[in-house]
Amino acid sequence: KAGVTQTPRYLIKTRGQQVTLSCSPISGHRSVSWYQQTPGQGLQFLFEYFSETQRNKGNFPGRFSGRQFSNSRSEMNVSTLELGDSALYLCASSTSGGASGELFFGEGSRLTVL
Amino acid sequence: AQKVTQAQTEISVVEKEDVTLDCVYETRDTTYYLFWYKQPPSGELVFLIRRNSFDEQNEISGRYSWNFQKSTSSFNFTITASQVVDSAVYFCALSEEGNFNKFYFGSGTKLNVKP
Repeated sequence: KAGVTQTPRYLIKTRGQQVTLSCSPISGHRSVSWYQQTPGQGLQFLFEYFSETQRNKGNFPGRFSGRQFSNSRSEMNVSTLELGDSALYLCASSTSGGASGELFFGEGSRLTVL
Repeated sequence: AQKVTQAQTEISVVEKEDVTLDCVYETRDTTYYLFWYKQPPSGELVFLIRRNSFDEQNEISGRYSWNFQKSTSSFNFTITASQVVDSAVYFCALSEEGNFNKFYFGSGTKLNVKP
């Protein structure tokens, strides 16, 4: 069974640009959530999608957005990049998305903003 | 407010030593879930265990064991007879009922197991 796939794995952008990251969940998983990992702030929740609907959102500015498609694949977008957006962005999928669910994580997309 | 504290930033042990990773959490909910994840250098977080707030039984899985104590809001993780392959960053996490995969992660403990 294929795991969670994130693309691209590595990317470099400059300040002011925008970036789109993609996540393909495990087959059959309908919930996709996104986390940002930085050395200073650790792992922080960005948002969660289930059946194309955003059900929960973390405390990030509006420059961070996401969406989910009918096949459960998800994308997140960061506009007007800032240096502080440099991070490992992790996507996780689960079956139902309830609090008790185990999250299956991808290897992440490492974004560097110059 | 929800919070997970992992006070140990980094621990170094020699192979075959036992090691305990501490986790203290804060929540006002009565129904919540606690997790441990392992993050190897490749980046993905690997699930190790889940515990709900109503089940305080300790659990053992091979060399791994977990001690959940609601009275002290702690969920500690012990590796017995550590191995080099156990070297990784370990995260404790909390989720609350109805919060749709919004996990609160601790800052992580980096475990170095030396041969």
